[in-house]
Amino acid sequence: EDQVTQSPEALRLQEGESSSLNCSYTVSGLRGLFWYRQDPGKGPEFLFTLYSAGEEKEKERLKATLTKKESFLHITAPKPEDSATYLCAVAPLGGGYNKLIFGAGTRLAVHP
Amino acid sequence: NAGVMQNPRHLVRRRGQEARLRCSPMKGHSHVYWYRQLPEEGLKFMVYLQKENIIDESGMPKERFSAEFPKEGPSILRIQQVVRGDSAAYFCASSPRQERTEAFFGQGTRLTVV
Repeated sequence: EDQVTQSPEALRLQEGESSSLNCSYTVSGLRGLFWYRQDPGKGPEFLFTLYSAGEEKEKERLKATLTKKESFLHITAPKPEDSATYLCAVAPLGGGYNKLIFGAGTRLAVHP
Repeated sequence: NAGVMQNPRHLVRRRGQEARLRCSPMKGHSHVYWYRQLPEEGLKFMVYLQKENIIDESGMPKERFSAEFPKEGPSILRIQQVVRGDSAAYFCASSPRQERTEAFFGQGTRLTVV
């Protein structure tokens, strides 16, 4: 069964304290892996799509990497405005491209 | 370019009533996806539609739930005879094409069944 597991469930950081969020996935074939950010009461906001192992993408303080079994979202020198829930999702082969399987998310809190 | 628009943002229904959730995709997008987010759970796929066609409804409950995306107008997710377990946030996402593109999400409709 296709599955996505994110860890940790929650993470508290001091401003400037770098860390990584993990997304482990089990899928028969991977069409793409997505990272989204979700603020309370809002819809998911797209961050990155990764298609193949070894691929990396960066945006401001965020960097996403992909291996054959997991993805990491690295946060460098985070700021309080980076506080949000970060969602990982996979699009399996055989489904419509955006038929996504989501993990439960990592709740990130960055304190000044 | 307006984003994905969902309305209403909040909807309260009594048990047994019908709920209609609307989603207008981004301009130029003809692919619509509905997801449900139950309290303390992740987003779950419900249905994938293109204009006038249901492509994949494998995530839809077999009874009381239906979806459409007419030639003109928004996509509608309809829940008949709502029960307390239907209380959730319902999100719509749209994309311009099926292959190799991200989906943009709306702000969601939060349904509360009392």
